[in-house]
Amino acid sequence: GEEVAQTPKHLVRGEGQKAKLYCAPIKGHSYVFWYQQVLKNEFKFLISFQNENVFDETGMPKERFSAKCLPNSPCSLEIQATKLEDSAVYFCASSQSQGTGTEAFFGQGTRLTVV
Amino acid sequence: SQQGEEDPQALSIQEGENATMNCSYKTSINNLQWYRQNSGRGLVHLILIRSNEREKHSGRLRVTLDTSKKSSSLLITASRAADTASYFCATEMNSGYSTLTFGKGTMLLVSP
Repeated sequence: GEEVAQTPKHLVRGEGQKAKLYCAPIKGHSYVFWYQQVLKNEFKFLISFQNENVFDETGMPKERFSAKCLPNSPCSLEIQATKLEDSAVYFCASSQSQGTGTEAFFGQGTRLTVV
Repeated sequence: SQQGEEDPQALSIQEGENATMNCSYKTSINNLQWYRQNSGRGLVHLILIRSNEREKHSGRLRVTLDTSKKSSSLLITASRAADTASYFCATEMNSGYSTLTFGKGTMLLVSP
């Protein structure tokens, strides 16, 4: 597609439940990035992929968070046993290539509310 | 910790005035980018300035970069109500990963 598509737009989960977010990158883009934005403030980098391979996972919490980008499927970010502090907007971005100054295109985000 | 820090945190001006936002960062960078976020929506890329550039223009936007001070500024001239949004600077470091590190943003309100 011509834009990064994220689903669902809103997700409400009770504490301890699983949450799964999806991202379809722009067609032809090899790189996918996930960011977490809490309370309209800074964007925290979580993880990036080059095609289906993890490229950089330095921001990924070691527990409860996992992500995949499989061929011919939307990328996904899964949070096991959600906590209140996981409430945030999760943004996905894609870029055509890796390298200095490659523009990243962002989706509209998934707002996760943990109650 | 965040690489970029914007100031001011919030800025309120009248239509037609200029708006200046500043961003400071801590480590060496490949480039610095400015993004806009309208309320409740995703980020829109505005402009990119490379580490070997000092100034760049795009329409009503002017970006400067001072690598010796590790700072950048975004100037929006002749502001419009539609410019009301949050503005974030993001740095791409020399890590080879293309990961962007964002600041906390400046919330700009332009009143008619």
